[in-house]
Amino acid sequence: QSALAQPASVSGSPGQSIIISCSGSGSDIGTYNRVSWYQHHPGKAPKLMIYEVIKRPSGVSNRFSASKSGRTASLTISGLQAEDEADYYCCSYVPGGPYAFGTGTKVTVL
Amino acid sequence: EVQLVESGGTLVQPGGSLRLSCAASGFTFTTYWMAWVRQAPGKGLEWVANMKGVGSEKYYVGSVEGRFTISRDNARNLLYLQMNTLRADDTAVYFCAREATLTPYNFDYWGQGTLVTVSS
Repeated sequence: QSALAQPASVSGSPGQSIIISCSGSGSDIGTYNRVSWYQHHPGKAPKLMIYEVIKRPSGVSNRFSASKSGRTASLTISGLQAEDEADYYCCSYVPGGPYAFGTGTKVTVL
Repeated sequence: EVQLVESGGTLVQPGGSLRLSCAASGFTFTTYWMAWVRQAPGKGLEWVANMKGVGSEKYYVGSVEGRFTISRDNARNLLYLQMNTLRADDTAVYFCAREATLTPYNFDYWGQGTLVTVSS
């Protein structure tokens, strides 16, 4: 399965909002509401931030929200904080896959 | 508290073999599908394999099919990845991850990973 396309980097100042996009195809994001997002601080365990497109696990800040339109999913981080600086990956169910991850986005807090 | 701790990563020569382990605790191991996900240096995440909690149902990404074997010891809460005929492009940090059960197709807990380097 091909990797989902994400911007290599996104940056913002503290307090700002940023959006990370994740582009797939009609056979993954476009068809299934099985999109998840992960935050990864290098050297640490990745952390689930969003599942089933828009749902936040218990304990994840409500500054993180997500959506989907057609073949593109998006993760929004509001009120950007220094601790949000990390790599972010989207992931979608893919029939026969069963998983395709995004290419990853490095978020920098200026 | 859910914990996943990987071990077994090391430097191995091309063509060699290695077995990774993942020790799970803090949850009923047999209830969950478990997976291995890897990250090559400077690259993104790649799902490698997964296995059902009970039984032998398992799946692999095409690039490792026939070379890697995922297995588990449910009596000891251990997940394994036997890697044979290793290649340079298998070099990566290998993460053990738990697949959510009530809301499938996402990974709700991860370990910190173990580094496998394939080089002569």
